Amino acid sequence: KQEVTQIPAALSVPEGENLVLNCSFTDSAIYNLQWFRQDPGKGLTSLLLIQSSQREQTSGRLNASLDKSSGRSTLYIAASQPGDSATYLCAVPLDYKLSFGAGTTVTVRA
Amino acid sequence: DAGVIQSPRHEVTEMGQEVTLRCKPISGHNSLFWYRQTMMRGLELLIYFNNNVPIDDSGMPEDRFSAKMPNASFSTLKIQPSEPRDSAVYFCASSLFSGVSAFFGQGTRLTVV
Repeated sequence: KQEVTQIPAALSVPEGENLVLNCSFTDSAIYNLQWFRQDPGKGLTSLLLIQSSQREQTSGRLNASLDKSSGRSTLYIAASQPGDSATYLCAVPLDYKLSFGAGTTVTVRA
Repeated sequence: DAGVIQSPRHEVTEMGQEVTLRCKPISGHNSLFWYRQTMMRGLELLIYFNNNVPIDDSGMPEDRFSAKMPNASFSTLKIQPSEPRDSAVYFCASSLFSGVSAFFGQGTRLTVV
C-alpha cells in the first residue's frame, strides 16, 4: 500500500517569499507523481506531473523535483503571491489509483 | 473541452432519501474515477471505470452506494438511502488512460441532514 505524507500541514508566508512544499511516499516503484492545487470549495487543478524518468518539471514560477530513491518530491513556488493561497496536494499512482497526501494549506500574506 | 462536468454542485437532502450525482468526463478519456473528500479521511477512491466497465469498486463504503457508467460520456453515483455520515464532497475525475494526468470536476458538496 502506498502511503503519501505532506509536511507541513499548513504554511503562512509573507508575499514575495519562496515556498517549499514537501511530499514523501513509501513505495518508490512509481511511474509518475502529480501535484494539484485546490482552492476552497473548488475541485483539484493539476499543476505538474513528473514522470519517474525525470528529476524535475517546471511551469512558470513552479518547479517540482522528484527523488524516487528517497521517496520524496518537493514543490517550489518562487516569489509567492496572495493568489497562491490554496491547498496543495501531491498524488502518486498505484496501478490506476491515485494515493493522495493530506495536503499543505498555504496562506500568502499581502 | 469544458473539462469534467459534475452536477449538481450542491445537494442538501434528508436522511433516508436517494441521492444521485452525475458526471460527464472529458471526451476521449477512457478512465473515470469517483472520489470522496472529507476532513477526516482526505480524498478516497470510491470506484474506477475503464472503458465504461467497473474495474475496482473496493472503495465503495457500503451497499447503499452504487455507480454506473452506461456510456463513455456519462456516469452516476447513487446513494440509497443516504445518511448524515455520507456528507462530503464527491469528485469525479477522468484521464486519457490510467496512470496519466487526471482531470477533476468541481465536485458535488453533499449534505445529508
